[in-house]
Amino acid sequence: GNSVTQMEGPVTLSEEAFLTINCTYTATGYPSLFWYVQYPGEGLQLLLKATKADDKGSNKGFEATYRKETTSFHLEKGSVQVSDSAVYFCALSPSGGSNYKLTFGKGTLLTVNP
Amino acid sequence: GAGVSQSPSNKVTEKGKDVELRCDPISGHTALYWYRQSLGQGLEFLIYFQGNSAPDKSGLPSDRFSAERTGGSVSTLTIQRTQQEDSAVYLCASSLFYTATNEKLFFGSGTQLSVL
Repeated sequence: GNSVTQMEGPVTLSEEAFLTINCTYTATGYPSLFWYVQYPGEGLQLLLKATKADDKGSNKGFEATYRKETTSFHLEKGSVQVSDSAVYFCALSPSGGSNYKLTFGKGTLLTVNP
Repeated sequence: GAGVSQSPSNKVTEKGKDVELRCDPISGHTALYWYRQSLGQGLEFLIYFQGNSAPDKSGLPSDRFSAERTGGSVSTLTIQRTQQEDSAVYLCASSLFYTATNEKLFFGSGTQLSVL
């Protein structure tokens, strides 16, 4: 079956530090890949996505590149802010007729200190 | 409201009791999803509704779980004879429509269910 593995947290950084959260996946065919973010007290929201190999998703200074050869979709940001403190979830949507069934990783808690 | 609304936000119940969790999707969204997040686990797909089509119930963990969606809007997830392993955060999401390009999901804040 499909699975998503992301680095375990928590991750604690100082403001303006570089962020990488690793994510690898197992799936047949050509899934779409997502990063969702959950800020304290709020629901999950889509941060970025990539729907085919070599696509780069980007939003709010975050980037992730769909690497089919390494089955990875690592999240990066060059300079984090305190407001980026949240839980980040990597997810995939399988190719084919059931692509509404997202498979999520366990989430990575990021804390950014001033 | 503007977002997906879930109620209650917290529910504490005794083992063996039935519970109902409610989800109000964003107005006009035809697709509705339920997910469950158990402690230390990723989100687990439970059920998917799309318009008037038969729902995909393949993620429901047992026959104690059921869900309905009335009038294509509000959805209720019912857990009968709750067990301690049912304790989790139950998340509802909606999207405008289901497309092959993976429509963006909007999530509610969830219901934290605790079974004592």
